[in-house]
Amino acid sequence: DVKVTQSSRYLVKRTGEKVFLECVQDMDHENMFWYRQDPGLGLRLIYFSYDVKMKEKGDIPEGYSVSREKKERFSLILESASTNQTSMYLCASSPGGLAGTYEQYFGPGTRLTVT
Amino acid sequence: KNQVEQSPQSLIILEGKNCTLQCNYTVSPFSNLRWYKQDTGRGPVSLTIMTFSENTKSNGRYTATLDADTKQSSLHITASQLSDSASYICVVSFDRGSTLGRLYFGRGTQLTVWP
Repeated sequence: DVKVTQSSRYLVKRTGEKVFLECVQDMDHENMFWYRQDPGLGLRLIYFSYDVKMKEKGDIPEGYSVSREKKERFSLILESASTNQTSMYLCASSPGGLAGTYEQYFGPGTRLTVT
Repeated sequence: KNQVEQSPQSLIILEGKNCTLQCNYTVSPFSNLRWYKQDTGRGPVSLTIMTFSENTKSNGRYTATLDADTKQSSLHITASQLSDSASYICVVSFDRGSTLGRLYFGRGTQLTVWP
């Protein structure tokens, strides 16, 4: 079974703090994704990585950056957390190739609250 | 403009009853259409994935149908169980010729099954 794990289920941070969300997958997938999910809006793509050190912006990259130093690990960084970044953050991975072709496997999510 | 519309937004049914969830999309052309189940506080889990040439796919008590001509899909749940209470998300993917295809997420239908 594919396993995607995220470092925290719940996180509370203060405005202005630097926040790291970690995601690890154990299936040697090339593609990894970070989404945020807000009530009534559905999932929105923040960043996508198709290889180590490679990344592409998604629909809402502002205020976020990412890091992929190893194939199995994809980190989402909030450089200076703000209250409008309070959300559920979901990581996903999929096999290589066209990202839209293969099934994505999601982690359990991190509920981040910025106060 | 949201290119994937789901209806109804929420639905309550009694245990043992059947129900059908709808998904209309405007994405064209598309690579595949997926249905995900997301339990509260968890990441989405794939139920079915269909290419444009398939018109039905089953996974246990879940049956998805696709009409690529009318750009409609439905998810039929048979003999509902309490554990079916979840959000069901329709996702349409579009190959735009780059590694990052494009995934369009519906906002989900929240299903509640009462005993």
